[in-house]
Amino acid sequence: KAGVTQTPRYLIKTRGQQVTLSCSPISGHRSVSWYQQTPGQGLQFLFEYFSETQRNKGNFPGRFSGRQFSNSRSEMNVSTLELGDSALYLCASSFTGNSYEQYFGPGTRLTVT
Amino acid sequence: DAKTTQPPSMDCAEGRAANLPCNHSTISGNEYVYWYRQIHSQGPQYIIHGLKNNETNEMASLIITEDRKSSTLILPHATLRDTAVYYCIVRVLINAGNMLTFGGGTRLMVKP
Repeated sequence: KAGVTQTPRYLIKTRGQQVTLSCSPISGHRSVSWYQQTPGQGLQFLFEYFSETQRNKGNFPGRFSGRQFSNSRSEMNVSTLELGDSALYLCASSFTGNSYEQYFGPGTRLTVT
Repeated sequence: DAKTTQPPSMDCAEGRAANLPCNHSTISGNEYVYWYRQIHSQGPQYIIHGLKNNETNEMASLIITEDRKSSTLILPHATLRDTAVYYCIVRVLINAGNMLTFGGGTRLMVKP
């Protein structure tokens, strides 16, 4: 079974631009969560989607948004990029909405210049 | 979710057992203890979880104290590939979604 895939793996953007990251969960998984990882703040939860509905949201500004499609694939969007948005963005999928095990993808490394 | 406290770093000799402690003194009765690890430049990987009984799987053992205020993850025969940051997380399982709150973790260095 293929693991969680994230595209693109690396991305360089300029301040003020917007970016869309994609996550394809493991086949059959209906929950997708997004995390931001930076050296200063560590791993922080962004949001979680289950059956196309956002169930939880972390403490991030409204510039960060996401969605989930009927095939469970998810995208997250960051508008008006700031230098501080440079981070590794990780996606995790799980089978149900209350799973003890989540499967993480390799992440998308976003650099904002 | 309850807060956890872990030592920032630990060393372990290859082939020896690695014992990683975690303090979660404010854990509530319906919160589970989870362990994940993150090998450099990869996404975190689930290791094990437990409520109050000790648990063992092919990767590790989890020992939870009787009062549930602390736990220890044991890697019985550490290898160089076990070098990673280990995260102890406590959270409820039912009706809480899949959100994980990561702390600083313990950076385990396995040395030859």
